[in-house]
Amino acid sequence: GNSVTQMEGPVTLSEEAFLTINCTYTATGYPSLFWYVQYPGEGLQLLLKATKADDKGSNKGFEATYRKETTSFHLEKGSVQVSDSAVYFCATGAPGNQFYFGTGTSLTVIP
Amino acid sequence: EAGVVQSPRYKIIEKKQPVAFWCNPISGHNTLYWYLQNLGQGPELLIRYENEEAVDDSQLPKDRFSAERLKGVDSTLKIQPAELGDSAVYLCASSWGLAGEQDTQYFGPGTRLTVL
Repeated sequence: GNSVTQMEGPVTLSEEAFLTINCTYTATGYPSLFWYVQYPGEGLQLLLKATKADDKGSNKGFEATYRKETTSFHLEKGSVQVSDSAVYFCATGAPGNQFYFGTGTSLTVIP
Repeated sequence: EAGVVQSPRYKIIEKKQPVAFWCNPISGHNTLYWYLQNLGQGPELLIRYENEEAVDDSQLPKDRFSAERLKGVDSTLKIQPAELGDSAVYLCASSWGLAGEQDTQYFGPGTRLTVL
């Protein structure tokens, strides 16, 4: 079945540092890939998505590229802000629209 | 446009008591999901509805959990009786698409259940 493995946290960075959160997936077929973000006390929000190989999803300065050859969808941001502190979840879609989520990576950005 | 609405946001009960959670999805969304999120983990699907039909409830512990989505709009998830291990956040999500489509899922804020 489908599954997602993402980098364990917690991750602590200084403001304006470069961020990478690794995510690899296993799947049958050609799943869509997603990054969701969960701010403290809130529900999950879609951050970005990609629906086919080589697609790049981007939003709020975050980017991730769907790499079929390495089965990866790593999240990157060139310069993080304190407001980016949250938990980030990688997810893969599957037939029937069942999503499989990773365990989440907690990011803390310090001024 | 209003997002997914869930209530209550927080619930504290004693073990063996019943509890119910309510979800109203985004207007027009055909598919509704209930997820369980334990601390430090990602959401895990409990049940998925397409309109009023439960099309995937394989992960729902049917001895104590039940759900309904009458009229294919809002939904209720019930636990009876609750156990200590049920303490978690219960998330509701909805999406436009039906089976076979990998649509974006939109999540509500969740209900944090504490069982004492």
